[in-house]
Amino acid sequence: SQQGEEDPQALSIQEGENATMNCSYKTSINNLQWYRQNSGRGLVHLILIRSNEREKHSGRLRVTLDTSKKSSSLLITASRAADTASYFCATDDRFSGGYNKLIFGAGTRLAVHP
Amino acid sequence: EAGVAQSPRYKIIEKRQSVAFWCNPISGHATLYWYQQILGQGPKLLIQFQNNGVVDDSQLPKDRFSAERLKGVDSTLKIQPAKLEDSAVYLCASSLDFGKTEAFFGQGTRLTVV
Repeated sequence: SQQGEEDPQALSIQEGENATMNCSYKTSINNLQWYRQNSGRGLVHLILIRSNEREKHSGRLRVTLDTSKKSSSLLITASRAADTASYFCATDDRFSGGYNKLIFGAGTRLAVHP
Repeated sequence: EAGVAQSPRYKIIEKRQSVAFWCNPISGHATLYWYQQILGQGPKLLIQFQNNGVVDDSQLPKDRFSAERLKGVDSTLKIQPAKLEDSAVYLCASSLDFGKTEAFFGQGTRLTVV
């Protein structure tokens, strides 16, 4: 089952513009992570935000988390052609036994045009 | 630090044949994940190991898929017999601990069943 759902499914922008992607999830979480996947490659971790944090920055990335709405957003500022990739949110889905599953959403495909 | 190693990178088999994928996680990582990623979709968790024990395999089609993690290190994922719908990229990932830290992904194995 998928925990996170990203919106929009696809996003096309020009270099220099900002890109915003949203993620909604269903259950309580400990943290939420964002990953990037270039075509034909494995996923690369971008940023992790804990449930008691509201905002986090890393370079050109800004992530927000609203646990009351069960949603998160990823903002990429001043986008570059190299940012073209699919972006996924992932949440730790708690279940019995004390172990957390890492569940991914369907992703947002970002295309940045020169 | 060596990353997550997977082999083979590509595999083409006929339906009803069997296939095995191998994963060597990052040294010291207790948690190992196998994901199936169908083209255009997000990664779907098949099985999660904590050391050499299975903590979740609820999405693993157990009539045809099996996985093991020997001595809590390397892991193999097997499909027998394969179906056309098994065509996907199989991703292995590892993390220091379950869901609390970033997961590191291998490059994946692209399986085509014809």
